[in-house]
Amino acid sequence: EIVLTQSPATLSLSPGERATLSCRASQSVSYYLAWYQQKPGQAPRLLIYDASNRATGIPARFSGSGSGTDFTLTISRLEPEDFAVYSCQQRSNWPLTFGGGTKVEIK
Amino acid sequence: EVQLVESGGGLVKPGGSLRLSCAASGFTFSGYSMNWVRQAPGKGLEWVSSISSTGSYIYYADSVKGRFTISRDSAKKSLYLQMNSLRAEDTAVYYCVLGSNLDYWGQGTLVTVSS
Repeated sequence: EIVLTQSPATLSLSPGERATLSCRASQSVSYYLAWYQQKPGQAPRLLIYDASNRATGIPARFSGSGSGTDFTLTISRLEPEDFAVYSCQQRSNWPLTFGGGTKVEIK
Repeated sequence: EVQLVESGGGLVKPGGSLRLSCAASGFTFSGYSMNWVRQAPGKGLEWVSSISSTGSYIYYADSVKGRFTISRDSAKKSLYLQMNSLRAEDTAVYYCVLGSNLDYWGQGTLVTVSS
């Protein structure tokens, strides 16, 4: 099973600041890595698939990069609605696995 | 507009059974793989099971293998999860999810396993 480790666990930032979230895989997942956003009481929403492709309707301030074992989600300028939990997920190998999540909170 | 509406959750005793359903609309159901993903209260996301567009390929997490069965009915545009021998650790919100990229998620249905 591929283990995904996300860091930091919590990121405290102010609106307008840049957020950089990390996801590291225990073995290569090539580019088969996705990022999801989840707000309290809501279902997750796909942001980025295949490491760097924005999903439909996702603002350009969200970007993804990386390949192999190291991936990054960047939010260029945080908007108030961006404060949420972000999870990465790999679909390179079965079982599909998720990272533990990074909470982006208001500083 | 893609819509995925789960139903069938509820309170069940350990060892009991439940059948979850997911009604799909807004896309060509028969053309996409489908998935179940769960989230225990206050915890992260856990993949449960996936089924290919034709139903030919099925995968399960080790934690549910032998107890849960995923299926689909293209005529009814519906996805199912039969859950048997339920345990306390199966307590979670269960999400129906579209596609190999987990593109769209339903709002979830809560399953509580407790005596």
